[in-house]
Amino acid sequence: DTAVSQTPKYLVTQMGNDKSIKCEQNLGHDTMYWYKQDSKKFLKIMFSYNNKELIINETVPNRFSPKSPDKAHLNLHINSLELGDSAVYFCASRSGGLFGSPLHFGNGTRLTVT
Amino acid sequence: GENVEQHPSTLSVQEGDSAVIKCTYSDSASNYFPWYKQELGKGPQLIIDIRSNVGEKKDQRIAVTLNKTAKHFSLHITETQPEDSAVYFCAASSRTGNEKLTFGTGTRLTIIP
Repeated sequence: DTAVSQTPKYLVTQMGNDKSIKCEQNLGHDTMYWYKQDSKKFLKIMFSYNNKELIINETVPNRFSPKSPDKAHLNLHINSLELGDSAVYFCASRSGGLFGSPLHFGNGTRLTVT
Repeated sequence: GENVEQHPSTLSVQEGDSAVIKCTYSDSASNYFPWYKQELGKGPQLIIDIRSNVGEKKDQRIAVTLNKTAKHFSLHITETQPEDSAVYFCAASSRTGNEKLTFGTGTRLTIIP
């Protein structure tokens, strides 16, 4: 069973479109994240939710809107896609109540904006 | 905020030799330092971690050392094997605030058979 699963794995779309990426974890974790990995492999945190509540919101354009319907799901909606949004987006989760508990990552969604 | 620097960005070693990757951090409040391995087409996976109350930790062929005074930590892989080829990331986080994990810029390790 995949612990953290993201869909779709690949997403190719045109500039100006709106798209969503879904994430689900079956680990019983209460903290979930979205990370962006650019072409140079740099991993940067975008958002974090704890029990459906937003706790980290980095300087991300407001075209990106995360939504957590329950603590096992964290989706990412992106409006008006731009070329610079092309990257691999990783969902991750961890047990929020335990300091230093490891992050469990999904296998990523490769977004290509043309 | 925290800033983590990682060196080298690429590293090639002969199979069987050792590999060392080094990281420095800026926030003296950071007290948790994990290392992640990312294989092609996959998400990063934790391979070892260390907390600030420990100077060294070992797990089979991999070990991590931490120097709190100098604010740097290192990953050591001995007896390297082809399956060790991957991108490795160091990271740091603090127990204060929202425990945000800040990653280094990654090291692409290639094991030469």
